[in-house]
Amino acid sequence: QKEVEQDPGPLSVPEGAIVSLNCTYSNSAFQYFMWYRQYSRKGPELLMYTYSSGNKEDGRFTAQVDKSSKYISLFIRDSQPSDSATYLCAMGSGGSQGNLIFGKGTKLSVKP
Amino acid sequence: EPEVTQTPSHQVTQMGQEVILRCVPISNHLYFYWYRQILGQKVEFLVSFYNNEISEKSEIFDDQFSVERPDGSNFTLKIRSTKLEDSAMYFCASSEIDRGSQPQHFGDGTRLSIL
Repeated sequence: QKEVEQDPGPLSVPEGAIVSLNCTYSNSAFQYFMWYRQYSRKGPELLMYTYSSGNKEDGRFTAQVDKSSKYISLFIRDSQPSDSATYLCAMGSGGSQGNLIFGKGTKLSVKP
Repeated sequence: EPEVTQTPSHQVTQMGQEVILRCVPISNHLYFYWYRQILGQKVEFLVSFYNNEISEKSEIFDDQFSVERPDGSNFTLKIRSTKLEDSAMYFCASSEIDRGSQPQHFGDGTRLSIL
């Protein structure tokens, strides 16, 4: 079983739609959960960072972590064409000294 | 906003040659990392570095690879005797004091092409 699984998409939505992205994982030691956005030929840009379970909101973005189900989500409200990118989930256990495990990324396209 | 900078953006090298990829982490960050991303695949951890020594390394990071902080601002990844399969995007990242509880910030990467 792969450590972090993420549907690669592609996912295409109309402008203004609510987007739901998610990852599942198998390692119960993960405590830190991140979402990165990656534009073509650019590095991962940190969007959201969550420790342990719960929700975190930042503007149009909401991150959710359910450790009991080993499932994390990123919601994007009122999606914009500029949100078109690949979204990567990443996780760490802290005890692994910062070694992040990434999902494969979901490619999102928001159509005007 | 402070950022991680990497040079060069694209490096083309003949197989068997040595390459050095350079990174300037965010100035107040103390933990440094290298990752790579082969085209179409996941971002993979290579190595973490703190207090002038390697903290952790993956199976990928074998004797072909080395890292160095030659001065107070640069962090380098050296790849010796490059192979075709070393072709990938290489990302540098850095984080603040507590590596477990502070997120990592990434540079835009160096695209390494081995011919």
